[in-house]
Amino acid sequence: LAKTTQPISMDSYEGQEVNITCSHNNIATNDYITWYQQFPSQGPRFIIQGYKTKVTNEVASLFIPADRKSSTLSLPRVSLSDTAVYYCLVGLSGAGSYQLTFGKGTKLSVIP
Amino acid sequence: GAVVSQHPSRVICKSGTSVKIECRSLDFQATTMFWYRQFPKQSLMLMATSNEGSKATYEQGVEKDKFLINHASLTLSTLTVTSAHPEDSSFYICSARIPGQTPYEQYFGPGTRLTVT
Repeated sequence: LAKTTQPISMDSYEGQEVNITCSHNNIATNDYITWYQQFPSQGPRFIIQGYKTKVTNEVASLFIPADRKSSTLSLPRVSLSDTAVYYCLVGLSGAGSYQLTFGKGTKLSVIP
Repeated sequence: GAVVSQHPSRVICKSGTSVKIECRSLDFQATTMFWYRQFPKQSLMLMATSNEGSKATYEQGVEKDKFLINHASLTLSTLTVTSAHPEDSSFYICSARIPGQTPYEQYFGPGTRLTVT
């Protein structure tokens, strides 16, 4: 599975747009990029997944450049409730196992 | 949709006893479920992959005789921590994938906080 690198922590004020970038230089051709959100003492929650260009859903956008060596999770107008750890995962569904390997994640703190 | 539950949410047990944690997919069938462990302020570590009707696949370093996994039906997987010790105290989380969904889109349970005294 491709290794990912993301900032350990980020601070943002309420109402601002937050962009969290993840580097995955050795991403394979068939790898997908997936982001999860985790609040303290809860299981992670799937946010968004993409393969190339841009993906948008009701909570976030995911920007993936043409070389796919990085990706950026964009959270529009964050609120205090967005304070959480965000994980970037890259990998291929191999042999039907669909294993997820979590890195250290980015701890986002939203400030009033 | 795609709800995964865990029971119990918290458990305290004495050293040397066994504890069973249940993971259920409430509104879908899951042929594969995963068990993770998370220590405070650390990331999730995959312990094992649970396959319905067959033996679980354990990650390197995870003792299969200590962490017994059973996936007897398409909606239930159980993790039994046998002869628990204080170092087994952790947050245990299960996840499941909906067959046919895009890769890596998994649904996690709320977790079980195990404290061994």
